[in-house]
Amino acid sequence: RKEVEQDPGPFNVPEGATVAFNCTYSNSASQSFFWYRQDCRKEPKLLMSVYSSGNEDGRFTAQLNRASQYISLLIRDSKLSDSATYLCVANSGGSNYKLTFGKGTLLTVNP
Amino acid sequence: DTAVSQTPKYLVTQMGNDKSIKCEQNLGHDTMYWYKQDSKKFLKIMFSYNNKELIINETVPNRFSPKSPDKAHLNLHINSLELGDSAVYFCASRPRTANYGYTFGSGTRLTVV
Repeated sequence: RKEVEQDPGPFNVPEGATVAFNCTYSNSASQSFFWYRQDCRKEPKLLMSVYSSGNEDGRFTAQLNRASQYISLLIRDSKLSDSATYLCVANSGGSNYKLTFGKGTLLTVNP
Repeated sequence: DTAVSQTPKYLVTQMGNDKSIKCEQNLGHDTMYWYKQDSKKFLKIMFSYNNKELIINETVPNRFSPKSPDKAHLNLHINSLELGDSAVYFCASRPRTANYGYTFGSGTRLTVV
């Protein structure tokens, strides 16, 4: 079983749609979690950290369920510029702080 | 101004050659990483250095040798390049603060022919 698993998609949605990405992690000792965004032929960039209480940043909402080892990202009112690959990430290295990336979910927002 | 810079951006070389990729960060971070992203877009950790000390060494062929002359630099030397080494190699760094993600460099696209 992979350490971080995501639905690979692709997701094709119209502008204005709400889209949700799901992710599970296998290492119950993982302590911190993130969503990264990667545009085509570019480096991954941090989108947001994920906190146990859930957190929101504008149109983006991240949730963490430690009991189910499940992470989610919700994008509301999607824009063309949201088209990218979204990477679910867990710190699976404990004190050595090793970020393990999921394979990513490709999102295309259509006009 | 670039926070994490890698050189070269593109590298095309023949099988069997030896090549190096350089990485520098000006963020004052203590920890640096090398990741490999293959053709299936899967990002996998290779190495991590904390203040010049190797702390993570994943199952990577010993043809790959990282070197960290100081905490702002982490280079990657690859001997006897193989076709399967073709990938994008990303350098990253992070500060000491626990709950903080990495900052990535823009990547080095290595093609072995």
